[in-house]
Amino acid sequence: DAGVIQSPRHEVTEMGQEVTLRCKPISGHDYLFWYRQTMMRGLELLIYFNNNVPIDDSGMPEDRFSAKMPNASFSTLKIQPSEPRDSAVYFCASSLRFTEETQYFGPGTRLLVL
Amino acid sequence: AQSVTQPDIHITVSEGASLELRCNYSYGATPYLFWYVQSPGQGLQLLLKYFSGDTLVQGIKGFEAEFKRSQSSFNLRKPSVHWSDAAEYFCAVGLNTGFQKLVFGTGTRLLVSP
Repeated sequence: DAGVIQSPRHEVTEMGQEVTLRCKPISGHDYLFWYRQTMMRGLELLIYFNNNVPIDDSGMPEDRFSAKMPNASFSTLKIQPSEPRDSAVYFCASSLRFTEETQYFGPGTRLLVL
Repeated sequence: AQSVTQPDIHITVSEGASLELRCNYSYGATPYLFWYVQSPGQGLQLLLKYFSGDTLVQGIKGFEAEFKRSQSSFNLRKPSVHWSDAAEYFCAVGLNTGFQKLVFGTGTRLLVSP
């Protein structure tokens, strides 16, 4: 398997623009997670899905952030409108259905909002 | 609240020397414990994990970690460091609440000197 795939790898945008980050989990994995990594706050879980259904979005910072998983092989994280403080590396991860299974991380999307 | 502490922000080790990275956690129940490594510009890769059983866990790349319940610690060790081990290392606690929610430490950046 190719692992978790994220696109784009880098995104530079201007404040106020809409940003869409994409993730393809490992085939067969039932859980999908979105994380944000910043210098100030480290790695934070934003939201996770189980079988395409959002289960816990308590980590989503504001209403400007939204995430969807229309099918088992694709998820998006959208920021609208973007702000400079959203600049971070966003990781997607996936895992199998059981609690003890490892989360596999994608390479991340480095977002810079000017 | 659950938390993970990595007290060392940076560590410098000479190539060939031994390494120990510290991790302490705060969690009421028996934790699931992980060590991930992040190379520059890359995603997180799992080094090893502890769920139960033998408290000394072997991982990839020659790493091992020991779970000490009495000290609430899960320190990562390697007997002889290679220059390619220079990276950032994250300890994480998995909350066994029916899904695998990871709480990460702030990371330790390892520098390897010649």
